[in-house]
Amino acid sequence: KAGVTQTPRYLIKTRGQQVTLSCSPISGHRSVSWYQQTPGQGLQFLFEYFSETQRNKGNFPGRFSGRQFSNSRSEMNVSTLELGDSALYLCASSLGLAGSRGTQYFGPGTRLTVL
Amino acid sequence: GENVEQHPSTLSVQEGDSAVIKCTYSDSASNYFPWYKQELGKGPQLIIDIRSNVGEKKDQRIAVTLNKTAKHFSLHITETQPEDSAVYFCAASKNAGNMLTFGGGTRLMVKP
Repeated sequence: KAGVTQTPRYLIKTRGQQVTLSCSPISGHRSVSWYQQTPGQGLQFLFEYFSETQRNKGNFPGRFSGRQFSNSRSEMNVSTLELGDSALYLCASSLGLAGSRGTQYFGPGTRLTVL
Repeated sequence: GENVEQHPSTLSVQEGDSAVIKCTYSDSASNYFPWYKQELGKGPQLIIDIRSNVGEKKDQRIAVTLNKTAKHFSLHITETQPEDSAVYFCAASKNAGNMLTFGGGTRLMVKP
């Protein structure tokens, strides 16, 4: 079974631009979560989606948003990019929300560089 | 909210030795504790997880122990090999499907 796929793998943007990142979960997985990884702050939770509904949101400004489609694929968007948004953005998927169905599997990430 | 602390931040061992990484958490409601291994240029890979109704879990050379009273859990890797070299993260959540709070990571270097 194919793992979590994320596109694009690398992205370079300039300050003030916006960006959209895409995540395709493992086949059959209905929950998708996004995390930001930086050397300074480590791995931080952004948001979580299940059945097209946002269930949880981390402590990030409103410039960060996301959505999930009926086929469980998810996108996240960052508007008005800042230098500090440079990071590895990771997507994780799980079958469901609890017990062994909630185990999260990560994709390879999208490396975003803001110049 | 939950806070997870991880020690040490770097760990260097000789091939064949054991490695131990420790984490503490703050929220007593947390009951799911996974460990991930991240190699350069890759996303975190789940290597083992434990739920609060279990005190210890083993999978070949890897074991995890959990002390709910003290709110700490540890990863034990025996007979380390060079391919074990990576960054290891512990995490905690109230439920396997909920948001994960990660520790700061441990860079493990296994010297041949």
